[in-house]
Amino acid sequence: DGGITQSPKYLFRKEGQNVTLSCEQNLNHDAMYWYRQDPGQGLRLIYYSQIVNDFQKGDIAEGYSVSREKKESFPLTVTSAQKNPTAFYLCASTQTGRQGQPQHFGDGTRLSIL
Amino acid sequence: SQQGEEDPQALSIQEGENATMNCSYKTSINNLQWYRQNSGRGLVHLILIRSNEREKHSGRLRVTLDTSKKSSSLLITASRAADTASYFCATDGNTGNQFYFGTGTSLTVIP
Repeated sequence: DGGITQSPKYLFRKEGQNVTLSCEQNLNHDAMYWYRQDPGQGLRLIYYSQIVNDFQKGDIAEGYSVSREKKESFPLTVTSAQKNPTAFYLCASTQTGRQGQPQHFGDGTRLSIL
Repeated sequence: SQQGEEDPQALSIQEGENATMNCSYKTSINNLQWYRQNSGRGLVHLILIRSNEREKHSGRLRVTLDTSKKSSSLLITASRAADTASYFCATDGNTGNQFYFGTGTSLTVIP
């Protein structure tokens, strides 16, 4: 089955530690996205990538970094500079080239502070 | 921020009733999409309506779009307990590259 796989499902971060969230897709989609969701709120865009080896900052990129070395993979690193990282992180992908394509989402990673 | 807003924030209805939720957005758009999120899961795409459309149906879902008011509504008819979830609208903000999600409506359908 085609889809997006996020891992791990739960992640704990210690003070001063960087952690990396994995996102893999086998939908052959060009564009991939990382969102942050806080309780009772909508999704806020952290980073997105339209093509391999290229990515752009979203609304809340500070304290995060990404890479896009392969079409299938778009890992997100939450750095120690992100002072309030506790949230639900969602990865999504979509096909480009035609307007109005839906986003496909993974099942998220819940990050907490130890 | 170009984030939209859903209204109401929370809605509780009896099974079999209709549920209506509204979305307002801030900029011109090419299309607007509605998504459902079950607790602790990712979002699932429900329906898309283009900026030149006024109404669209899919099964028990009916979506309307009023671009002059920058608003959309999602109607779920004959609701079921399985419809219990949060519902989000998303717009492309006329860029096509980014999606802007609303704050969501939490729907509870009581059996």
